Amino acid sequence: GQQVQQSPASLVLQEGENAELQCNFSTSLNSMQWFYQRPGGSLVSLFYNPSGTKHSGRLTSTTVIKERRSSLHISSSQTTDSGTYLCALVNTEGADRLTFGKGTQLIIQP
Amino acid sequence: NAGVIQTPRHKVTGKGQEATLWCEPISGHSAVFWYRQTIVQGLEFLTYFRNQAPIDDSGMPKERFSAQMPNQSHSTLKIQSTQPQDSAVYLCASSLVGTGNTLYFGEGSRLIVV
Repeated sequence: GQQVQQSPASLVLQEGENAELQCNFSTSLNSMQWFYQRPGGSLVSLFYNPSGTKHSGRLTSTTVIKERRSSLHISSSQTTDSGTYLCALVNTEGADRLTFGKGTQLIIQP
Repeated sequence: NAGVIQTPRHKVTGKGQEATLWCEPISGHSAVFWYRQTIVQGLEFLTYFRNQAPIDDSGMPKERFSAQMPNQSHSTLKIQSTQPQDSAVYLCASSLVGTGNTLYFGEGSRLIVV
């Protein structure tokens, strides 16, 4: 089965609302990264977060290894936050390669 | 720092022809990855080099795909006898040492096989 599952698949919010994106994984974890991708654009790394909580501006990433999940929280969303958010993990057997989820498409409406 | 550079950005090729995609990793990065992205499958791992040596090519379709890294400044992905199902965005990424460090992606090469 799929090692990395993201939810929701898509999310539409009004500007100013908070967004909560989830990533669940079915394998033991070596590292976890969150990426952002604008339509037709490249992937930009947001967080390298194998465990615990990290903050960057309005973004917060929390990884709980025991529960095999990671979340990305976007506070006070803006229209420029629209795009696809992907989580990716390296499992302990993965020889460094990242396995990606299918992503969450976030649409922030003005 | 120019980031990861991929060429060409777009390529249209006829069925059965060969396509070669190039990647220039960030200077000093010892790990280079190739991924393929489609709407249906999402991001799929293809192959990985560390210090120019092939480490893991478990994601590569065996018969028509090959990848090389002849020197530390570039890697190529070659697809022989291209098929319509090869149409995708091919992404190259590099990092300092494996993926214990942040992965940096190029803009991608969009391949369309007609």
